[in-house]
Amino acid sequence: KNEVEQSPQNLTAQEGEFITINCSYSVGISALHWLQQHPGGGIVSLFMLSSGKKKHGRLIATINIQEKHSSLHITASHPRDSAVYICAVPDRGSTLGRLYFGRGTQLTVWP
Amino acid sequence: GAGVSQTPSNKVTEKGKYVELRCDPISGHTALYWYRQSLGQGPEFLIYFQGTGAADDSGLPNDRFFAVRPEGSVSTLKIQRTERGDSAVYLCASSLGVGTGELFFGEGSRLTVL
Repeated sequence: KNEVEQSPQNLTAQEGEFITINCSYSVGISALHWLQQHPGGGIVSLFMLSSGKKKHGRLIATINIQEKHSSLHITASHPRDSAVYICAVPDRGSTLGRLYFGRGTQLTVWP
Repeated sequence: GAGVSQTPSNKVTEKGKYVELRCDPISGHTALYWYRQSLGQGPEFLIYFQGTGAADDSGLPNDRFFAVRPEGSVSTLKIQRTERGDSAVYLCASSLGVGTGELFFGEGSRLTVL
């Protein structure tokens, strides 16, 4: 089983602040997912990355495979970024389709 | 369809009843996944399909849970003799292939067992 830990569990920020959410996992992986879940349950995939860094708009995801750690950054945060952010990693075994999820980080951005 | 579709969006049932939850993945996606999410928790893996076959069903909590995908497209998650502890949001996702590519999630089916 791949243990996934996210921090912080809750995060409150003022509009415009730089946000960092961290994810660590216990077993080496081929790729990691960052997901966003809005109230009401819908989940959207933000990134799937296996090395280095990816950027999409104000979102940046980095991963350090050796340290088994990934971070999600949000620059110039906005109230519409308020959501739960979840990282997920696959089983290293043959069942690559089995993902283990963190509990999520609840982000609230105030105007 | 344009995205992953799940029905029903809400289901309230009584303890002991049988329930079916349906997932219609994105056309052409061979991999389909079922997850369960309880309040305040991250999603928990149940089962995934590659094509018509269940590649890994080790996340199903017990033999009251069963899922099928007979034609490699639509999948149905079946729960027999429902219990109050089965109450959760059941999420379906699909991707082009297993372990590769972006995951696309449905809106989920919220199951409440009274």
